Formats: sequence, C-alpha cells, structure tokens
Amino acid sequence: DAKTTQPPSMDCAEGRAANLPCNHSTISGNEYVYWYRQIHSQGPQYIIHGLKNNETNEMASLIITEDRKSSTLILPHATLRDTAVYYCIVRVPFTGGGNKLTFGTGTQLKVEL
Amino acid sequence: GAGVSQSPSNKVTEKGKDVELRCDPISGHTALYWYRQRLGQGLEFLIYFQGNSAPDKSGLPSDRFSAERTGESVSTLTIQRTQQEDSAVYLCASSQNTGSGKLFFGSGTQLSVL
Repeated sequence: DAKTTQPPSMDCAEGRAANLPCNHSTISGNEYVYWYRQIHSQGPQYIIHGLKNNETNEMASLIITEDRKSSTLILPHATLRDTAVYYCIVRVPFTGGGNKLTFGTGTQLKVEL
Repeated sequence: GAGVSQSPSNKVTEKGKDVELRCDPISGHTALYWYRQRLGQGLEFLIYFQGNSAPDKSGLPSDRFSAERTGESVSTLTIQRTQQEDSAVYLCASSQNTGSGKLFFGSGTQLSVL
C-alpha cells in the first residue's frame, strides 16, 4: 500500500472549516483514499473514502487532486466534538488479504473556542 | 446489537497470566479484524477473519497470541503468559465483506499487565 504523510497536529477555531491535508505521492491507479478519525478513548470511526472524484457525505468532504498525489479532508464547520486524530489511508480494496488497513500516526486536530 | 461490542472494557492482569478478550461483530458482517494500539501510537494489525477462509495471522507478534472465530460471529483473542509489553488497547473491527474498506470498530479492551 502507498504510504501517506500527514502533519502531526493542527488547530482550528470552532465554526471554521478544518482542512486536513494528506500526501500520497506514490499512490497507484487502483488505490482508494480512506479517512478515519479516532476520538480519545474510542475506536476509529470511518469518515469517507474516494478514488479520484471529490466526495461529500454528512460528515465531511474529500477533495482529491487531479494527479491523485494528495487529498484534503474538509470538515465544513468544526465543533469541539471534532477534536480527534485523523488518519489518511490508501488501500486497494478487494484484495486477497482483505482490507488490512494500515494506520499511521495521523493528524491530531484540536478544535478550540 | 447496533455496533461492535468488546469485553471486558478493562482488564488488569499479572505478568505470566493468560487473558482472553472477546469481540461481538455487527450482525451479518463477514470480516473481522483485531488491532493493537499502544499508548500514543498508531494501530497495529494483528489478525483478520473472512468467513470460512483461513485467517490472516500475519500481524500476530508472537506465538503467545492466538485468535478464534466461530463462523461469522464472536471472536476471542487469547494472550498467553502475558508480558508488560502486551499492555495496550486491543481493538476489534468488522466489515460487511472483504471488499469493503469501511470498518466499524469497537471501543476496545484496555489491557494492563502488571
């Protein structure tokens, strides 16, 4: 699986958009980008995933660059409850080894008043 | 149940004892995963079950670790002769099938080995 690079930490003011970057310059054509988050003392929570088109759901938007070497997770109106570690993962689904998602160290997002 | 359930939520044991951790996946989910998370670190993959296929045990750190799953239901992770370095949160996740990257995680079992 392609490796990902994320900043270790970011701050965001409550009510503002949080834009979390992820670099995956070695991504291959059939690898999807997944985002998860982990709130303190909880298991990770799936947020969103995409291949090459931008995606949006009730939690967030995912913007993938045209060359697919980087992506940005956008939380449009961050709240204090969005304070968590955010993980960007790239993975080929439907492989024989299953979805053995590899979690790095992620970005610690701190939302402040 | 509505989500992945793990028990116990906390386990304190003495070095050298065996422990058994339990995971109840979401009903109908055929794939089940175990991960370990040491304090302040990322998740380490341990083992993966998919239906009746042979499990992927490539992440188990030693032969003291083993896991079983009955059909597509409950799974147990057993650690024999626990060591202090086994102290961690053990997380279980399930997904609808092997093709889905959308995993649903439980809240984990905090294991402390004294």
